[in-house]
Amino acid sequence: RKEVEQDPGPFNVPEGATVAFNCTYSNSASQSFFWYRQDCRKEPKLLMSVYSSGNEDGRFTAQLNRASQYISLLIRDSKLSDSATYLCVVNDRGSTLGRLYFGRGTQLTVWP
Amino acid sequence: SQTIHQWPATLVQPVGSPLSLECTVEGTSNPNLYWYRQAAGRGLQLLFYSVGIGQISSEVPQNLSASRPQDRQFILSSKKLLLSDSGFYLCAWSTRGGGTYNEQFFGPGTRLTVL
Repeated sequence: RKEVEQDPGPFNVPEGATVAFNCTYSNSASQSFFWYRQDCRKEPKLLMSVYSSGNEDGRFTAQLNRASQYISLLIRDSKLSDSATYLCVVNDRGSTLGRLYFGRGTQLTVWP
Repeated sequence: SQTIHQWPATLVQPVGSPLSLECTVEGTSNPNLYWYRQAAGRGLQLLFYSVGIGQISSEVPQNLSASRPQDRQFILSSKKLLLSDSGFYLCAWSTRGGGTYNEQFFGPGTRLTVL
C-alpha cells in the first residue's frame, strides 16, 4: 500500500472555476501535511502547509481529516497560472529525520 | 535567506560512464539533505538522506552512491551509469531535528539522460 495516494487527473477546468483535490495517507501517526506545486520540468515548490484546523491562503484552502486520513486542497477562481501538478505530502512521524512521503501528483490544466 | 544550488542543470551521458552531481545549500547550518529521483511521469523516489557530514543512509539499493564532505554539500555519484538511471534528480534540504513542520525545499534539479 502506498503511503500517499492521489487521483492523478488530469483536471481540466476553465478560468474562474473552483477545483478540489483529495489525497489519502496510510500512516495514522503522521503529523505534518503539505501541498507542493510542481510546474512542468521544474522542482516541486511548497504551496502550503496543512494545519489541523484547516487553513486558507488567498484562493487556496487546505483541509485535514485525521479520522478518515485524507487531505484536501481547494482552489477558487482558478487562474491560467494555476496549471501545474499538485503533490500531496505527508511526514513520517516516527522519524526524527523528517522524512516526507510524496504522492504522485494531480495534474491541473486551467484553460481560458 | 536560504538557497539551494544544483549543477549541472542538464546532462547527457553514455551508458557505463561515471556520474557526479553536486548540491550546495546556503544560508543555513546543519541541514538534513536529501537526494530524490523523479522518472518521467512518476513520483518522487527518495534515494539518499543525510543528517550530518559523512552520515549517509540509502533508501534504495542501486548503483548510485552519495557523500557529504561538508555540512552544506551533498554529492550523488555513480561509477557506471545504466539506462534506468535517466531521470530528474532533485536535492532538497530541511531543518535538522524533524520538527513538527519539517518542510523540505528543493533545488532546481538536474535532468539526466543516459544513452
